Amino acid sequence: GAVVSQHPSWVICKSGTSVKIECRSLDFQATTMFWYRQFPKQSLMLMATSNEGSKATYEQGVEKDKFLINHASLTLSTLTVTSAHPEDSSFYICSARNGGPNSPLHFGNGTRLTVT
Amino acid sequence: QKEVEQNSGPLSVPEGAIASLNCTYSDRGSQSFFWYRQYSGKSPELIMFIYSNGDKEDGRFTAQLNKASQYVSLLIRDSQPSDSATYLCAVPGNTPLVFGKGTRLSVIA
Repeated sequence: GAVVSQHPSWVICKSGTSVKIECRSLDFQATTMFWYRQFPKQSLMLMATSNEGSKATYEQGVEKDKFLINHASLTLSTLTVTSAHPEDSSFYICSARNGGPNSPLHFGNGTRLTVT
Repeated sequence: QKEVEQNSGPLSVPEGAIASLNCTYSDRGSQSFFWYRQYSGKSPELIMFIYSNGDKEDGRFTAQLNKASQYVSLLIRDSQPSDSATYLCAVPGNTPLVFGKGTRLSVIA
């Protein structure tokens, strides 16, 4: 159990366009989901916490107007990278918990974004 | 501020040997401990979790927790080249997990 599905696995887009990434919890409900970004050979960096039915909470330094998060249901969160630039090229990974704060995170397979 | 420390490696072991990965944590109140495996270019995968002092075994993996010394380790028996990856130790925190920087394991055939 506790499967998190993420789509697409990879996407290439042109500068200035927007890209939407979907994250679904397949066999459990998640009132909270977490979006990470990882640059090559670097650690996971938490970008934001997605809250079902309310606004997302962004980490310091993450532009909320650029990285739009919507958590419209208990099983779906979306991250939209707006007006993408080459420096937004990265590996984006969503995750969720099937349990309380002492339970593990389960990660989606990630989305490789390349902005040309 | 909770911290998790790991040796970044690389840790190189020959195929068939035991790989020992170690992690220390700063918050004595931490109640659960997780090991993730991350292959290059892939997302982290939960491979072990442990809540109580002592050992927990799952196949070739054994997690060991010593709360008095604030360390948790992961042993991989009969290491295979396919075990070559970065192993991340994590504890619950505000973020929601506090990760170590990971130990890169290389199993040499």
